[in-house]
Amino acid sequence: DIQMTQSPPSLSASLGETVTIECRASEDIYNGLAWYQQKPGKSPQLLIYDASSLQDGVPSRFSGSGSGRDYSFSISNVESEDIASYYCLQYDNLPYTFGAGTKLELK
Amino acid sequence: QVQLKESGPGLVQPSQTLSLTCTVSGFSLTSNSVSWVRQPPGKGLEWMGAIWSGGSTDYNSALKSRLSISRDTSKSQVFLKMNSLQTEDTAIYFCTRSKLGAPHYWGQGVMVTVSS
Repeated sequence: DIQMTQSPPSLSASLGETVTIECRASEDIYNGLAWYQQKPGKSPQLLIYDASSLQDGVPSRFSGSGSGRDYSFSISNVESEDIASYYCLQYDNLPYTFGAGTKLELK
Repeated sequence: QVQLKESGPGLVQPSQTLSLTCTVSGFSLTSNSVSWVRQPPGKGLEWMGAIWSGGSTDYNSALKSRLSISRDTSKSQVFLKMNSLQTEDTAIYFCTRSKLGAPHYWGQGVMVTVSS
C-alpha cells in the first residue's frame, strides 16, 4: 500500500497569510492526488483533484502542485472561513490512502 | 442532483457485525463507483473500500478480512458489512461517489458506536 506522509499536522496562520501543506507518497502516484477540506461536523469537500485541478466553485486562492512523490497545497490570503482540517488522498493506486491531515487554526 | 445517504444502527456490540446502507439518487450505480470512508472521533479519514461500476470490489488491506461491500442496483443501494467489530471501529462512516477519480460527492455520514 502507498503511504502518504502529510505535514505539518497543525498550522497557525493570520488572516491574509499564505500557508502551504505538503504530502509525500511512498512511491510515484503520477498526479493521482486530491485535497479535501473538512469543517467540524461536516463531510469533506473536494478542493483539488489530479494534483492541481481546481474543483468547480472552489475559490482560486486554493491551489495544488507537485509531481512524482511530492505534492503541495496552498491557500493564499487565508480567510476566516478557511479554518478547517485538510487532507490529501492518493487515488493512483489501490487501496486509496489518505494523509493524516493538517488542522489550520487562526493565530 | 447527486445525493448519498447512509443509514444503519448507531450502536453495535463488540464482536458483532456492522451493516450499513448507502442509498443514492441522481446517478446510476452501473455507471459510477461508490466508496466507503470512515473517521474515528477526532481523528483522520480512512478509505475502506469501493464497489466499481461493473460490480467488482477493492478493500483497504487492513480491513479486507472483515469487510464486504455489495450493491442492489435496482434499489440504488450500496451495502457495507464488517464483522468482528471492536471499539476501535467506532467512527463516522461516509459513502462517497467519485468524479474524475477522486471521491467527490459525500453523504452526511452515520455515527456508529461499538460498545456493550
